Amino acid sequence: GAVVSQHPSRVICKSGTSVKIECRSLDFQATTMFWYRQFPKQSLMLMATSNEGSKATYEQGVEKDKFLINHASLTLSTLTVTSAHPEDSSFYICSANPISGNTIYFGEGSWLTVV
Amino acid sequence: LAKTTQPISMDSYEGQEVNITCSHNNIATNDYITWYQQFPSQGPRFIIQGYKTKVTNEVASLFIPADRKSSTLSLPRVSLSDTAVYYCLVGLDTGTASKLTFGTGTRLQVML
Repeated sequence: GAVVSQHPSRVICKSGTSVKIECRSLDFQATTMFWYRQFPKQSLMLMATSNEGSKATYEQGVEKDKFLINHASLTLSTLTVTSAHPEDSSFYICSANPISGNTIYFGEGSWLTVV
Repeated sequence: LAKTTQPISMDSYEGQEVNITCSHNNIATNDYITWYQQFPSQGPRFIIQGYKTKVTNEVASLFIPADRKSSTLSLPRVSLSDTAVYYCLVGLDTGTASKLTFGTGTRLQVML
């Protein structure tokens, strides 16, 4: 199946700093990618939709100035957590669906720990 | 967006067939039904997708009745490695209109 890769898989950062997570579709192009966060033993919560060449659309309650999303190419979307706080510690997952196709594929996820 | 309802958890023994049913009463005409499997600290993995009737692949079968208001994921002869959370998602999986919302998922525990 199609491959979506995230980097880094784990990151620890200090409170107040910013951290960037990359999401790449390795063998297909995607005009749309999605970012989720997941707390332990909970379901995935959609944060935002990343649109190539345009602004991301955020779900209600998600701060767009805190979670910056950039979708600069058809194979790369980035999520930057700005001024991170311990409560931002979570598992972040991206997904993408191929331009030609009916299935959404997910990345491996990225663990963010803010200390 | 169509909301989905699944059992929170299920238990099974190795070698048994497991059927997980998902309700999606307000599914839209263009919506596909997709099932994903998630292990701890990993992203969801695609299992199977369908629109109507029955779909089968090398790992599972998906049964969708004519009214499409529910679907059943069937896992034949499960093993310990099938212990995971299974999510049923409903949405239009093409283009910018697609946006999948996750429900609670079903936590499947396979025992010896």
